[in-house]
Amino acid sequence: DAGITQSPRHKVTETGTPVTLRCHQTENHRYMYWYRQDPGHGLRLIHYSYGVKDTDKGEVSDGYSVSRSKTEDFLLTLESATSSQTSVYFCAIRAGTPVGTQYFGPGTRLTVL
Amino acid sequence: DQQVKQNSPSLSVQEGRISILNCDYTNSMFDYFLWYKKYPAEGPTFLISISSIKDKNEDGRFTVFLNKSAKHLSLHIVPSQPGDSAVYFCAASARDRMRFGAGTRLTVKP
Repeated sequence: DAGITQSPRHKVTETGTPVTLRCHQTENHRYMYWYRQDPGHGLRLIHYSYGVKDTDKGEVSDGYSVSRSKTEDFLLTLESATSSQTSVYFCAIRAGTPVGTQYFGPGTRLTVL
Repeated sequence: DQQVKQNSPSLSVQEGRISILNCDYTNSMFDYFLWYKKYPAEGPTFLISISSIKDKNEDGRFTVFLNKSAKHLSLHIVPSQPGDSAVYFCAASARDRMRFGAGTRLTVKP
C-alpha cells in the first residue's frame, strides 16, 4: 500500500461539463502520474509531475490539464468532457525502490454520457 | 506508436503448470522492465522488475527473463495457482516515464 487515494471512485457526467479528479498521497513522493486504461491499450500516460508546480505532458494529454500546488495532491481536469474520455483513470507515484517502480491508486471510473 | 507489445490477449493454463507471459519492446533506451498484475476494480500492483543490465530476476514463483538482443522479456509463473488469474501488464521505463503493453489475461484453471 503506497498510501494513494483517488476521489471520486466513480463518476457519471455529461458531455461538455468540467470534471476534476483528485489523487492524494501520504508519503511525500516527488513524482506523480495520471494514466487512463482502455481495452486494447493498456495504460497510457496523460500527464505527470516531478514536483510542486512542475508538470509535463504524456502520450495522450489532449483535452486534459493538471495541477500540483502541494506535494500530496495531483489534480486531473477535463475542461469539457467528451465521450472519448470515458475510461478508468489511475494515479501513480514513483517510489525509490525498486528503481523506476510506480505504485498505483485504486482508480476512478469515469463515464461521460 | 506502441513501444511495448503484448501479443497474446489471453492465456489459459492448468493449476500447477507453468504460465509464460511474453512482451516485446522497440525502444533501446528502456532501462527497467516491470510486470504488474491487475484484478478487476483495483489498481495495478507491482509484481517484479529487472534492470536492463541483467537477464534474469527471480522472486518466489515469479521469474522475469530479459533478452536484450531480441528486445523481448517474459514472465514465468511456476507453479501457477488459481489466485494468479488476473490481467498482467508488461511495462518499460526510461527516464521519468513508463510505457505499458496492452495486457494479457491469465486464467488458471483448478
